[in-house]
Amino acid sequence: AQSVAQPEDQVNVAEGNPLTVKCTYSVSGNPYLFWYVQYPNRGLQFLLKYITGDNLVKGSYGFEAEFNKSQTSFHLKKPSALVSDSALYFCAVRVIPPGRGSTLGRLYFGRGTQLTVWP
Amino acid sequence: DGGITQSPKYLFRKEGQNVTLSCEQNLNHDAMYWYRQDPGQGLRLIYYSQIVNDFQKGDIAEGYSVSREKKESFPLTVTSAQKNPTAFYLCASSPALGGTGELFFGEGSRLTVL
Repeated sequence: AQSVAQPEDQVNVAEGNPLTVKCTYSVSGNPYLFWYVQYPNRGLQFLLKYITGDNLVKGSYGFEAEFNKSQTSFHLKKPSALVSDSALYFCAVRVIPPGRGSTLGRLYFGRGTQLTVWP
Repeated sequence: DGGITQSPKYLFRKEGQNVTLSCEQNLNHDAMYWYRQDPGQGLRLIYYSQIVNDFQKGDIAEGYSVSREKKESFPLTVTSAQKNPTAFYLCASSPALGGTGELFFGEGSRLTVL
């Protein structure tokens, strides 16, 4: 079964400090990995994705993520946090298994990590 | 501007009533999805559709129904059979069910059962 884990429900950092939001995954094929951000009472916004190639992926608003195949992780990072980065962050994985199936292309989401950046 | 429009933003319902949430997209996407979001539980897939007149159950389809009569539209009905319908509902679309594309989300509809 495919799954995504975000081990921290909450991450607190001071403005200007680096931030990391952790994500690990368990899949039976090659993963496509995504990060989304959600502000209160809003929909999810796409931040970045890893499909193939360079393990370090750069995305919107200065965020980046590092794909680590051996550790099955895809942690979200930012060198210098802003108060406006405070939001709920979701990691997601899609697996394209050999052949076709009813779950082809489905995204599996983690439970989310609430990031709070203190001024 | 291209995007996904969900309506209404807020909805109140009495127990025993059915309610329909609207989702319209003008992105020309084939695949559309409905997710339910509860605090601390992340997003759970209710239904998805990869083509007109075809849809599949997700992980928590009981008490919900959908239709896909037009490519642009994927309404969700929350029926009286759904035992705990109070939640935030998110509609999404993508170019296709598979592939490398990300999902595009609407702004959500918050349903409260009184």
